[in-house]
Amino acid sequence: KAGVTQTPRYLIKTRGQQVTLSCSPISGHRSVSWYQQTPGQGLQFLFEYFSETQRNKGNFPGRFSGRQFSNSRSEMNVSTLELGDSALYLCASSFLTGVQETQYFGPGTRLLVL
Amino acid sequence: QQPVQSPQAVILREGEDAVINCSSSKALYSVHWYRQKHGEAPVFLMILLKGGEQKGHEKISASFNEKKQQSSLYLTASQLSYSGTYFCGTEGSNSGNTPLVFGKGTRLSVIA
Repeated sequence: KAGVTQTPRYLIKTRGQQVTLSCSPISGHRSVSWYQQTPGQGLQFLFEYFSETQRNKGNFPGRFSGRQFSNSRSEMNVSTLELGDSALYLCASSFLTGVQETQYFGPGTRLLVL
Repeated sequence: QQPVQSPQAVILREGEDAVINCSSSKALYSVHWYRQKHGEAPVFLMILLKGGEQKGHEKISASFNEKKQQSSLYLTASQLSYSGTYFCGTEGSNSGNTPLVFGKGTRLSVIA
């Protein structure tokens, strides 16, 4: 079974631009979560989608948004990029949502904002 | 509420044991453990649930002390492949409406 895939793997943007990242979950998984990882803050939860509905949202500004499609693929968008948005963005998928579900992480998209 | 992991970093020689702790100031329902190698995605190790038993996989095991709101990851007879950053992720309820909150990680280096 193919793992979680994320595209693009690397991205360089300048301040003020916007970016869209894509995540394809493991086949059959309906939950997709997004995380931002930085050396200073570690792994921080962005949001979770389950069956096209946002179930949870982390403490990030409205510039960060996401969506999930009927095939469970998910995108996240960051508008008006800031230098502090430079990070590794990870998505993780699971079959269901809930405490007993193992999350499988993708390789991440490394975003550099100049 | 972000859980606190300790130690922040540890260096071991092959064959030595290590314990990584994950503590929360709030009641926990579940603790998830992951290992991340440099430049790679986090990889699931195990989940511990409130009221559940200690889990183990080969020489890596973990416990969950509900009263202390703490989980510990035990690595015995460490191998070079154990090197990486270990993260705990915690959930405060079983409602499915609370996301995982991760600690800042413990960097483990195993040397020959």
